Amino acid sequence: ETGVTQSPTHLIKTRGQQVTLRCSSQSGHNTVSWYQQALGQGPQFIFQYYREEENGRGNFPPRFSGLQFPNYSSELNVNALELDDSALYLCASSPEGPAGGSTDTQYFGPGTRLTVL
Amino acid sequence: AQKITQTQPGMFVQEKEAVTLDCTYDTSDPSYGLFWYKQPSSGEMIFLIYQGSYDQQNATEGRYSLNFQKARKSANLVISASQLGDSAMYFCAMRENSGYSTLTFGKGTMLLVSP
Repeated sequence: ETGVTQSPTHLIKTRGQQVTLRCSSQSGHNTVSWYQQALGQGPQFIFQYYREEENGRGNFPPRFSGLQFPNYSSELNVNALELDDSALYLCASSPEGPAGGSTDTQYFGPGTRLTVL
Repeated sequence: AQKITQTQPGMFVQEKEAVTLDCTYDTSDPSYGLFWYKQPSSGEMIFLIYQGSYDQQNATEGRYSLNFQKARKSANLVISASQLGDSAMYFCAMRENSGYSTLTFGKGTMLLVSP
C-alpha cells in the first residue's frame, strides 16, 4: 500500500471528449507526477507538480493539463481526446525531503485505464 | 539513444531459483538514481529498490539486490529464491539531476515464475 489512490479505475470516452482523472496522495507528499503508459510500453512522463505549481513537463501537447491542490490531491485533464490517448494513466507522489523539496523515490497509485473509442 | 535499455522482453525462471533482469542506462549527469519497479497485471507500479550513483555498496532489499556496475552503466536486478508471486512486468527507471525528479523508464521485462 503506497497510500496513493486514483479514480476512476476505468473510463471509456469517445474522440473529442474531455476527461479528468484524479489522484490523492499521502499527507506530506508535496510532489506529484503523472505518467502515461501505453500498452506494452514503459510509463512516459507527462508533467510534475511541486507545491501546486507545474515544475516540469514531458513531450505532451498543451491539451494535457493538470492541477495540484493544497490537500495533496491532483488532477490530470485531457481535452479533445484522440484514439492514441488510450492508455493507463499513473500518478506518483514523493514525500517531502528533510531539507524541503522531494525525495527521490516516487510511489505510484493503481492507475486509471482510459479507453478512447 | 535510449536512456534506459532492457534487452530481455521475457524471462522464465523456476520457483526458488535466482534470476537476473538486465538494465543498461545512458546519462552524462554525474548524479543520478536508478530504480526498479514491479508491475503486476493489476497495473500498480510497486517500488522495489533504489541505487544512487554515488552509493558505494550495491543496494539490497530482502530478496532483491541491484548489481550496480557504474563503468559499464548497468544496473541489473537480482531476485533470489523466486516465488510464484514474482510473476509480473519489471521496469528499470532512472532519475537524472535535471532539477525535478522525473523518471525515465525502460520498456520492461516480463518475468514468469513456474512451479
